[in-house]
Amino acid sequence: EVQLVESGGDLVQPGGSLRLSCAASGFMFSAFWMSWVRQTPGKGLEWVANIKEDGSEKDYVDSVRGRFTISRDNAKNSVYLQMNSLTVEDTAVYYCVAQNGHGNWGQGTLVTVSS
Amino acid sequence: IVMTQSPLSLAVTPGEPASISCRSSQSLLYRDGYNYLNWYLQKPGQSPQLLIYLASNRASGVPDRFSASGSGTDFTLKISRVEAEDVGVYFCMQAIHRLTFGGGTKVEIK
Repeated sequence: EVQLVESGGDLVQPGGSLRLSCAASGFMFSAFWMSWVRQTPGKGLEWVANIKEDGSEKDYVDSVRGRFTISRDNAKNSVYLQMNSLTVEDTAVYYCVAQNGHGNWGQGTLVTVSS
Repeated sequence: IVMTQSPLSLAVTPGEPASISCRSSQSLLYRDGYNYLNWYLQKPGQSPQLLIYLASNRASGVPDRFSASGSGTDFTLKISRVEAEDVGVYFCMQAIHRLTFGGGTKVEIK
């Protein structure tokens, strides 16, 4: 059974940083691209970033480029999202999504940016 | 890739069928022969649950009253007989490159 478990969400002040983690199991993690997606009541679902199987290619939505960094550790079957210079607009539930054909999602982790 | 989903909402009598449409601005048919289009149901307070992957394959544990079809740019999700537990927001997602999503269809019971 495919499982994706996100962690690291928290309440943080504007300008602060957070690192999200996603632990994957149940599929050949190292063989697939992975994405981070966020969801807010107002803007709905938004793709944030993705990373190639070996980490050699990364892509970001314009609104986070230069502030967020996606990375992965295939030995630990994990993908990460380092988020810096956070703004209130980054407040959302963040999901990791496996681009493995099945498109499995984790349960999400809540990031709240507020003073 | 822009995903256009319709209708916005659907009120269905239990036991009646329902159908949701999803159209993409570019073909989702990849060179490997698969259409990279998935369908999900998100119930209130929960994460999205996978219903259909690669356009027409039911995910493990999904009842056979759910079916899907389509290729290229036009896709359809069908529920043959809606049950009370099927309420929630259904959305499509394309996974050719950067993930993009349909706007969602809220299904409720009459």
